[in-house]
Amino acid sequence: GAGVSQSPSNKVTEKGKDVELRCDPISGHTALYWYRQRLGQGLEFLIYFQGNSAPDKSGLPSDRFSAERTGESVSTLTIQRTQQEDSAVYLCASSPRTGSAGYTFGSGTRLTVV
Amino acid sequence: RKEVEQDPGPFNVPEGATVAFNCTYSNSASQSFFWYRQDCRKEPKLLMSVYSSGNEDGRFTAQLNRASQYISLLIRDSKLSDSATYLCVVTIGGFKTIFGAGTRLFVKA
Repeated sequence: GAGVSQSPSNKVTEKGKDVELRCDPISGHTALYWYRQRLGQGLEFLIYFQGNSAPDKSGLPSDRFSAERTGESVSTLTIQRTQQEDSAVYLCASSPRTGSAGYTFGSGTRLTVV
Repeated sequence: RKEVEQDPGPFNVPEGATVAFNCTYSNSASQSFFWYRQDCRKEPKLLMSVYSSGNEDGRFTAQLNRASQYISLLIRDSKLSDSATYLCVVTIGGFKTIFGAGTRLFVKA
């Protein structure tokens, strides 16, 4: 696609529910990142995918968070048993290589846990 | 110590002013450097890459000092539209990317 597409753009969920966020990277981009940004805060790295290599999950805050990506296609970030502190904007970015050319971000999913 | 540190600001400057931001990084294995711009409630967008020799793009100049482990961004002739948060980005080991928390800039008429 022309850009990085994320869906849904907004999600309101009840505490304890599971949510799934989707990221469709730019076609041909092998690297894909998920970040979290709380209101007024900086970007927090969550997970990184590079082609078919094992992902770098070092930024996932707890085992309630998981992400999948098949090859160089769509990625999904799943948050189980959501908590209020999970409320944030979840941003996905992709890059044609390992970040050396910069990243293109999607417009994010704004998650609100009530 | 954070891996990438920036002065959060805010920097309040009048139109036409020159303003400079610095960013320090702690990992000497850092390989690639970027400045991103993030407008309020928007996603970050790449402003410019930072090269060892320094590079310029219109009113914006970026420099890298590997010995002191910092990068800088200079904005000349500030415009109202330059008001945003500027994020320093460092790539370590080829893939691990660290974003600074950002420096907020307000340009006033």
